[in-house]
Parts: sequence; C-alpha cells; structure tokens
Amino acid sequence: LAKTTQPISMDSYEGQEVNITCSHNNIATNDYITWYQQFPSQGPRFIIQGYKTKVTNEVASLFIPADRKSSTLSLPRVSLSDTAVYYCLVGAPNTGNQFYFGTGTSLTVIP
Amino acid sequence: EAGVTQSPTHLIKTRGQQATLRCSPISGHTSVYWYQQALGLGLQFLLWYDEGEERNRGNFPPRFSGRQFPNYSSELNVNALELEDSALYLCASSSLGLAGGPTYNEQFFGPGTRLTVL
Repeated sequence: LAKTTQPISMDSYEGQEVNITCSHNNIATNDYITWYQQFPSQGPRFIIQGYKTKVTNEVASLFIPADRKSSTLSLPRVSLSDTAVYYCLVGAPNTGNQFYFGTGTSLTVIP
Repeated sequence: EAGVTQSPTHLIKTRGQQATLRCSPISGHTSVYWYQQALGLGLQFLLWYDEGEERNRGNFPPRFSGRQFPNYSSELNVNALELEDSALYLCASSSLGLAGGPTYNEQFFGPGTRLTVL
C-alpha cells in the first residue's frame, strides 16, 4: 500500500514560492504521482502528474527524485486564491494496486 | 461541457437506515470512483467502477456497495448506517479504463454529497 505522508499545514506570504513535499516510501513501479487542490465545499481539482524527474505546467512544477520515494509540488508566486488543501496521490485504480490520497496539506497564503 | 454531478447535495439519515447516493459522470467517461471524506481523515478511496463492473475496492466493509448503470452513471449504497459514516462522499470520473501500466489519471470530481447520520 503506497501510503503518503504530507505536512498537515503550511503558511506562506503572497508572491512567495511554496514547496510541499510528499513522502511515499512504498511506491510501486507502475505508480504515477498526482497532486490535487481542494477548496472548501468543492471536490478536488487536478493540478499536475508525473512519474519521474520534473514536470511543469502552467500552474505548478513537480519534482520527483530518482528513487521516487518522495515528490515536491512547487507553486510559484502564490496568491491568496491558492489557499486550499493540497493532496498527493500515489497510484491509480486501474493499476490494480491500492492507492492512497492521504490527509493533505492545508496551505494558507497570507497577504 | 457539464461536469460530474451528484445528488442529493445533503442527506440526513438515522443509524441503521440505508443511504443511496447518485453520480453522473462527464459525458464520454466510463470510469466512476467513489471517495469518503470524513472530518480530519482526508480522502479515502471507496470503489471504482468501469464499464459496469466493480474493478477495485478500498478498505471498507461490505455494507458499502454500489453499481454502475449502462449509461455509466453510478449509485453508492451504504447499508446499516453508523454514526461514523457521516462524511462528504465524492464521486469522480475519468476516461481511463483498464489500461495497463503507468497511465495518466486525471480524475474529475463532483461537488459531493454531505451525509449526516444521526
């Protein structure tokens, strides 16, 4: 079971870069790493996904070391609207493995 | 394009009763996933349905069950409700099915059904 561990909460000032790290020591060979964002009273929203090295899209970057036992979501120049809970997900239901969302990291952006 | 829809928005039941929650996936998506989000426990995977079949199941007792209809909509049933079943139940859909190996997996979530068990 690819259980994930993330910090419970983080604070950041507007305009700063935020890095949220997720530990997943038991990641399987065919597991992808996916990050989701959730605002209160809404379902999670996909941010980024990767398998190894670095992935970048218009909203975030994802860094995955060679051993893949952790991953870091990087949010450049956060704004107040980035205040949300961020979840790291390892695996996918269609690999046949169990997959695990975890408790997420509550990010608060301060003016 | 319409997103994932869930009904009802809120549901109040008493212990021992049964609850039925419904989900309509995005048009063209064949996979439906159910999650439980209880206070302080994060997102817990419940069930995955694809092409009408249950494909994967999380660590939940058998009283959590469901089905997927020919139009790919899905129903989650919770029997013999317990107080700790009170949670937000989220449905998600994706266009992925039984592809093997590492695969891109973007799930689109609905707004959820808030179940309260009294």
